[in-house]
Amino acid sequence: EVQLVESGGGLVQPGGSLKLSCAASGFTFSGSAMHWVRQSSGKGLEWVGRIRSKANSYATAFAASVRGRFTISRDDSKNTAYLQMNSLKTEDTAVYYCTREAVPDAFDIWGQGTMVTVSS
Amino acid sequence: QSALTQPASVSGSPGQSITISCTGTSSDVGNYDYVSWYQQHPGKAPKLIIYEVSNRPSGVSNRFSGSKSGNTASLSISGLQAEDEADYYCSSYTSSSTLDYVFGTGTKVTVL
Repeated sequence: EVQLVESGGGLVQPGGSLKLSCAASGFTFSGSAMHWVRQSSGKGLEWVGRIRSKANSYATAFAASVRGRFTISRDDSKNTAYLQMNSLKTEDTAVYYCTREAVPDAFDIWGQGTMVTVSS
Repeated sequence: QSALTQPASVSGSPGQSITISCTGTSSDVGNYDYVSWYQQHPGKAPKLIIYEVSNRPSGVSNRFSGSKSGNTASLSISGLQAEDEADYYCSSYTSSSTLDYVFGTGTKVTVL
């Protein structure tokens, strides 16, 4: 079965850190660009960032709202992508989804999401 | 970079057709054929229903169709069914310096 499973969400204080994981199965993870998208409660979707495949030098890119605070990495031997979130702000509170970019610039597989709450 | 603009809500009766617009700029929708659409039911993850403006992934009903004219993309749903009641988001690649992809504001589709 093709799927993505996120984990690692939780409650963290402002200024804290959290690392999310995204475990993939059922497809060739190593050849896929992986993205993170978040959704605040009752709000729309917001692209967070992405990491490309080894063939594309594991290049990363981020939305300006998280640039310099978030990093993305991957371990192709474990079929897992990671989102490291530092210097968290209350406005980072959201459900975080990992998703696969299959066809160019469209996201065809999504995880179930993991909730991140930044609050004191 | 602002979100792409969608109507907040669209409604229709079963069997009818509806269209959702998605308005961007020449930096995103108007300059790239990388517009995609996603359906999201409450508490669920988004589901890809249209990619590259008008292509449907395998398994997606042909009642869903997409198009684009200038800076505006559109999603049409024909033969509206109760199961189509959901939130719909457009997305586009963007040449903005602040992000690579921009999503729409989202449209709530209600089947009357």
